[in-house]
Amino acid sequence: DSGVTQTPKHLITATGQRVTLRCSPRSGDLSVYWYQQSLDQGLQFLIQYYNGEERAKGNILERFSAQQFPDLHSELNLSSLELGDSALYFCASSTHRRQGASGNTIYFGEGSWLTVV
Amino acid sequence: AQKITQTQPGMFVQEKEAVTLDCTYDTSDPSYGLFWYKQPSSGEMIFLIYQGSYDQQNATEGRYSLNFQKARKSANLVISASQLGDSAMYFCAMREGFDNAGNMLTFGGGTRLMVKP
Repeated sequence: DSGVTQTPKHLITATGQRVTLRCSPRSGDLSVYWYQQSLDQGLQFLIQYYNGEERAKGNILERFSAQQFPDLHSELNLSSLELGDSALYFCASSTHRRQGASGNTIYFGEGSWLTVV
Repeated sequence: AQKITQTQPGMFVQEKEAVTLDCTYDTSDPSYGLFWYKQPSSGEMIFLIYQGSYDQQNATEGRYSLNFQKARKSANLVISASQLGDSAMYFCAMREGFDNAGNMLTFGGGTRLMVKP
């Protein structure tokens, strides 16, 4: 158990709909990352938040948005869903210390499987 | 340009033998961390081992060790005494910088390891 909690684990929805994926980071971790894993694109970084602020943005579509709340949990909102959005969405978290594995490791949740039909 | 390259899409290894999974990386940042993750068929992303660019010793975690050759920019994962449960996808990843809270992981394409009984 990585300590990162993602819900829901599985989600099936229709094209055009909107879904929200939720993530609770490990206790004490300030950074939350969102990744998308699809068969054709591999693991793609979407966005990162650090202590409530957006810190880095990757290949995130305009139809997607995210936020990190004061209690540090994060939500990824996916709207106007298309068939190609079907993927495994990972949340990950980390602390940020100068050196050492324990301070720099990024731990992943179990992922949310999204199927758009 | 690819930052992380895993040249072995798939590999077989006999149970109880050792196996090396290759990873090369590309960065101009002197401070970086290298990670290996295991993804079984159930989908979760499991952290295995971490190597910092300034670490003098090769990282080891149980049956996992990282053969870090900085000059060659390679960070190969060695799994000793393979077990059937080691059958999974393995991803090499890099994070550039230590203290900058805006740095995310960049992943390679992965290697599928199959352990034969």
